[in-house]
Amino acid sequence: SQELEQSPQSLIVQEGKNLTINCTSSKTLYGLYWYKQKYGEGLIFLMMLQKGGEEKSHEKITAKLDEKKQQSSLHITASQPSHAGIYLCGADISGNTGKLIFGQGTTLQVKP
Amino acid sequence: GAVVSQHPSWVICKSGTSVKIECRSLDFQATTMFWYRQFPKQSLMLMATSNEGSKATYEQGVEKDKFLINHASLTLSTLTVTSAHPEDSSFYICSARLAGGRNTGELFFGEGSRLTVL
Repeated sequence: SQELEQSPQSLIVQEGKNLTINCTSSKTLYGLYWYKQKYGEGLIFLMMLQKGGEEKSHEKITAKLDEKKQQSSLHITASQPSHAGIYLCGADISGNTGKLIFGQGTTLQVKP
Repeated sequence: GAVVSQHPSWVICKSGTSVKIECRSLDFQATTMFWYRQFPKQSLMLMATSNEGSKATYEQGVEKDKFLINHASLTLSTLTVTSAHPEDSSFYICSARLAGGRNTGELFFGEGSRLTVL
């Protein structure tokens, strides 16, 4: 969706390196969701952010939502081959309805 | 996290036939479920919102008579692709919203159903 830009489109990192994926909306985010998908499979829920300035972490993954609630980042520390996959940000811009628009995804490869 | 299951995982059908895909929330009740479609190498596009006990609401450009949605219980929504044609071949995936509790608002997706229409 042009209303939601995700970058970079693809990323290749060496195992152990840190990386960041960004998601930017042209509209206020009522909720920002991060998922991981393997091609042709379902989405694995990572994190949901709703409040400006909110930050959540799970294992080596941290997600943040900026104060203006228009931009989010997903940061992976000390990447591992198991982190490889397609990362998708989904945005609820329709007033907390649960209807999401998605970014184009970031394909992450982690080289051992 | 909560579990959402879809069935079947994949289906192949002949052109002109109808196919039903089920979406179940296994460990929670969902008054609202959502259906998305994903074409190869593309992101997810919302098709419709499935509301328990009422009619589904469809996104612009999605034919409601072609994609029939039924949400008869708090744990089950079905999507029926009627008179399927090859251009309907896609990956269909549903999501269900967690309502109530500490993690209210979180959205969980099923494993997806790959439809191939010959």
